Amino acid sequence: EAGVAQSPRYKIIEKRQSVAFWCNPISGHATLYWYQQILGQGPKLLIQFQNNGVVDDSQLPKDRFSAERLKGVDSTLKIQPAKLEDSAVYLCASSLDRTRRATDTQYFGPGTRLTVL
Amino acid sequence: AQRVTQPEKLLSVFKGAPVELKCNYSYSGSPELFWYVQYSRQRLQLLLRHISRESIKGFTADLNKGETSFHLKKPFAQEEDSAMYYCALRTGGGNKLTFGTGTQLKVEL
Repeated sequence: EAGVAQSPRYKIIEKRQSVAFWCNPISGHATLYWYQQILGQGPKLLIQFQNNGVVDDSQLPKDRFSAERLKGVDSTLKIQPAKLEDSAVYLCASSLDRTRRATDTQYFGPGTRLTVL
Repeated sequence: AQRVTQPEKLLSVFKGAPVELKCNYSYSGSPELFWYVQYSRQRLQLLLRHISRESIKGFTADLNKGETSFHLKKPFAQEEDSAMYYCALRTGGGNKLTFGTGTQLKVEL
């Protein structure tokens, strides 16, 4: 089966600009996750969707970050305006059903590497 | 608050030597621990989870609640084991994972 798809793979912008990332999860996966991975650190969960509803966005900097999953499939993550400290790899992951251990394995996409100058 | 600590950024061993990647966690509730691996130019993927109590690619990990540890072990390292390894803690009723900072394992010939 096809894996999680993300685009773009790389993005370079200047601070105060806006940027958007796109994620297409594995077909049929109800749960979608966005992570931020700063160089030298592990992934940090930004937001978790169950279908098109937000389950957890406690670590999302809501003053500049937003995310949506309107039809319960694809998702976009936006940063507006970007800051230097937003430079990181943004990972998208999906799982079949987050509520059951048998189906909660998270499958990760290749990530988008963002550089803010 | 939950926390995962991986004290070693880099671990270098010779092929055939035993490997132990350390992971300690801090969590007041009942933890679920995982090891994720990222091979060069590949995606982050699940290696194993403590509730499965299985060996994957020769790796095992035992949850020690007394020491709050979940170390990853393999008796004989192989060159293909070279990768970045992340320990992760699942908390609460959802599927939120807290990751450690990772350990780069390098297996030398």
